[in-house]
Amino acid sequence: TQLLEQSPQFLSIQEGENLTVYCNSSSVFSSLQWYRQEPGEGPVLLVTVVTGGEVKKLKRLTFQFGDARKDSSLHITAAQPGDTGLYLCAGANAGGTSYGKLTFGQGTILTVHP
Amino acid sequence: NAGVMQNPRHLVRRRGQEARLRCSPMKGHSHVYWYRQLPEEGLKFMVYLQKENIIDESGMPKERFSAEFPKEGPSILRIQQVVRGDSAAYFCASSPRTSGFYEQYFGPGTRLTVT
Repeated sequence: TQLLEQSPQFLSIQEGENLTVYCNSSSVFSSLQWYRQEPGEGPVLLVTVVTGGEVKKLKRLTFQFGDARKDSSLHITAAQPGDTGLYLCAGANAGGTSYGKLTFGQGTILTVHP
Repeated sequence: NAGVMQNPRHLVRRRGQEARLRCSPMKGHSHVYWYRQLPEEGLKFMVYLQKENIIDESGMPKERFSAEFPKEGPSILRIQQVVRGDSAAYFCASSPRTSGFYEQYFGPGTRLTVT
C-alpha cells in the first residue's frame, strides 16, 4: 500500500511570512499533484509535477518534485490571508488497473492571519 | 466549459435507506473516479470507471456499495441500506486520459448525512 505523509498537519502564520509544506513517501510516483480545498468544496488542482527534480512556479507558490519522485514540497512566499485553506498532495501511478488512482496525503490546514 | 458536476450537494438519509449520488464529468472526459472523505480523514479512492466499465473498485466496500458509468448519462454511486458510518463527503473526479499525466478535476462533492 502506498502512503503519502504530509507535514505539518496544521500551520498558523502571519501575513507576509514564508512557509513550506512537505509530502513524503517511500514509494515512487509517476506524477504528483497538489490541490487546495476550501470548506464545503471539492479540491482544486494547483499543479502537476511529473519529472524528478522538476520545479514549477505559480505566482507566489513554488512546487518541487524530488529527484527520486518520492517526495514533493510546496513553498509559499509572503503568504496572504487568501492562501488560507487545506492543501493536499496526491500521487498517481502509471500501469495496470491502478493507473490514475490518486493516493492522497492527509492534508495541511494553513491559516494566514492578517 | 463546465466543470465536474455533482448532485445533490447535500443528501440526508435515514439508516436503511438508499443513497444515489450523481456525477457528470467535464466535457470530453471519459474517466471517472470516486473518492470518499470521512471526517478527520483524508480523501480515499473508491472506484475508477470508464464508460460502461469498472476498471478498479479496490477501494470500494464489498457490500452495499456499487458504481456505474453508463454509455449515456452521469456516473452513479449507489449506497444501499446506509449506516451512520457512511456519513461523509463523496467526491467525483474526471480525467481526459490514461497515459502520461493523470490530472483529475474534482466536483464540489455530495455531503451525505445518515440519521
